[in-house]
Order: sequence, then C-alpha cells, then structure tokens
Amino acid sequence: SAVISQKPSRDICQRGTSLTIQCQVDSQVTMMFWYRQQPGQSLTLIATANQGSEATYESGFVIDKFPISRPNLTFSTLTVSNMSPEDSSIYLCSVEDRTYEQYFGPGTRLTVT
Amino acid sequence: AQSVTQLDSHVSVSEGTPVLLRCNYSSSYSPSLFWYVQHPNKGLQLLLKYTSAATLVKGINGFEAEFKKSETSFHLTKPSAHMSDAAEYFCVVSDRIAGTASKLTFGTGTRLQVTL
Repeated sequence: SAVISQKPSRDICQRGTSLTIQCQVDSQVTMMFWYRQQPGQSLTLIATANQGSEATYESGFVIDKFPISRPNLTFSTLTVSNMSPEDSSIYLCSVEDRTYEQYFGPGTRLTVT
Repeated sequence: AQSVTQLDSHVSVSEGTPVLLRCNYSSSYSPSLFWYVQHPNKGLQLLLKYTSAATLVKGINGFEAEFKKSETSFHLTKPSAHMSDAAEYFCVVSDRIAGTASKLTFGTGTRLQVTL
C-alpha cells in the first residue's frame, strides 16, 4: 500500500485568501485524486490529476477555484482560491494502485473565517 | 451512473454482539465495491474490497462483506463488536471504464457506536 502525506494538516484562513495543499506519495503513481469532505458529510471527488496532463474536474468544481498541479509521479497540489466559509472542509488526496485500491492521505482540515 | 445507499446513518451495538452495516449500490457496469473506515480525526482506511472474484470478502479486523448481485447489496458484518470498532463507515462503489481511472462514489456513511 502507498504511504501518503499531506501538508498542512490543518489551517485557519481568512476569507478571500488562497491556500495550497500538498500531497506526497512514497511511490510513483499514475493517478491522484482530490476529495472534499464537508463537516459531517461524505466525501466528494473534486478532480482527477494525471501526471503530464490537465486535471479532470467533476461537476460543480472548476479550475479557477481549485487549480491543481501534478509536476511528477509522486506529488500534487490543490489550491483553494478566494476562500469563503463554505470552503471549510477536510481536503484529502488519494492514489490508486495497480489492484485498483485507493489509499487516502490523512487530510487537511481547513477552516475559513 | 453509479450510486450507493447506506441504509442506516447510525448503528448502535453492544460490545461482543454482531455488527451489520447495510449498503445497496447501483452501477451501470460491473462494479468494484469497497468499505472504508474513518476513526475520529483520522484518515480513511480500506477495510475490504470486492472486484468480481469471490463474493464473500474478508477484510481487516474481523470484518467481512458479501456481494449479492441479485439484491445489489454489499453489507458489512462482524461477528463480535469491539469498542475500537466505533467509527464512521463508508460504502464505496467504483465503476472502471476501460482506459480511465476509477471514479469512487461514497455513501453517506454509517456511524457505528459500540457500548459496554
């Protein structure tokens, strides 16, 4: 199984600012995924990030609000732009291995004030 | 389109008694199904998965689930609950289309409470 780390683990941000979340994997993976878990809710896929190409966003999520970078096979970033209190959530990255299992990072808990 | 319905938002059992967490799915393709567990302030951990092999799947910590295509169900069970099992459990369906990544769809979660 892959070991995934995320930075920061948590942050409190002012509305209107942006936060970049980093996701590091201990092995090379093709696909990385970003999810959002709003308070008391389930997980919702934001986008799929394939190395060397633009991320694919799910309905309701746009690149201007959640730009994603995927510079290599072990790293990705998600930026939450122009934040509002509604963006307060846990953001998780995940990777898929060759057996089609997805492993999740510990999450980044974001609070927007 | 794929979807998952977790039939109970909250389940409470006594320690040492059986656990049953119910999940029904809908999928246009041959699905892969998963159960994940999330302990408070912890990350998601994969409990078990079904990917078209044996219909009875054994996972970690004594959990198992049975895939029943005729009932479109994938219920999670454990013979004897332990206090450490108290957590949020998510049933997840994945449709894999050739040449694309798996897209996971999460259920709304079931909170398992274990009492003495």
